[in-house]
Amino acid sequence: AQRVTQPEKLLSVFKGAPVELKCNYSYSGSPELFWYVQYSRQRLQLLLRHISRESIKGFTADLNKGETSFHLKKPFAQEEDSAMYYCALRGGTSYGKLTFGQGTILTVHP
Amino acid sequence: AAGVIQSPRHLIKEKRETATLKCYPIPRHDTVYWYQQGPGQDPQFLISFYEKMQSDKGSIPDRFSAQQFSDYHSELNMSSLELGDSALYFCASSLSGAGAGANVLTFGAGSRLTVL
Repeated sequence: AQRVTQPEKLLSVFKGAPVELKCNYSYSGSPELFWYVQYSRQRLQLLLRHISRESIKGFTADLNKGETSFHLKKPFAQEEDSAMYYCALRGGTSYGKLTFGQGTILTVHP
Repeated sequence: AAGVIQSPRHLIKEKRETATLKCYPIPRHDTVYWYQQGPGQDPQFLISFYEKMQSDKGSIPDRFSAQQFSDYHSELNMSSLELGDSALYFCASSLSGAGAGANVLTFGAGSRLTVL
């Protein structure tokens, strides 16, 4: 079974502060991890995937297999980062489904 | 670039009625996924299709069925609707393979179903 846990339902920071959105997963094989973002009244959009090892909008995420984590980080939060963030996992076949975490609502205050 | 198109955007039905949602994937994408997101909930996987064949099945009620057609669009049929079926239904598509953009799900804007 595959499971994704985002322990924080809500995260509130001030503009310019560092932000870390936590994600832990449970999967017996080698998972593929993603972060999706959902801005207010918009569709889910891919933010990052771990195999790309890239930084998007200043966000990075490193897969830590030892801790089974894929935390999302940004050193200086911006107001436009306010959104719902979902961590997602795909195991098994390359066209397999994504399993989402419960989501974290990030609010960045001015 | 064309995105995943879902219709209708909003749908209001009464209990025990039937609803059909449609999804038009990104051109050349061969895999379609359906997700249900209840109020305040994370998206829950319902079902997926790869090359018009069901590839995976999640927590889809027996009252629901889906298929993918020859033009790769997909329809989710929901019968005997219940109040608890009120949710945002997302469709996503992806292209299988080994390329840089392969196997990345692109989501539609969703169809919001309200059951009264």
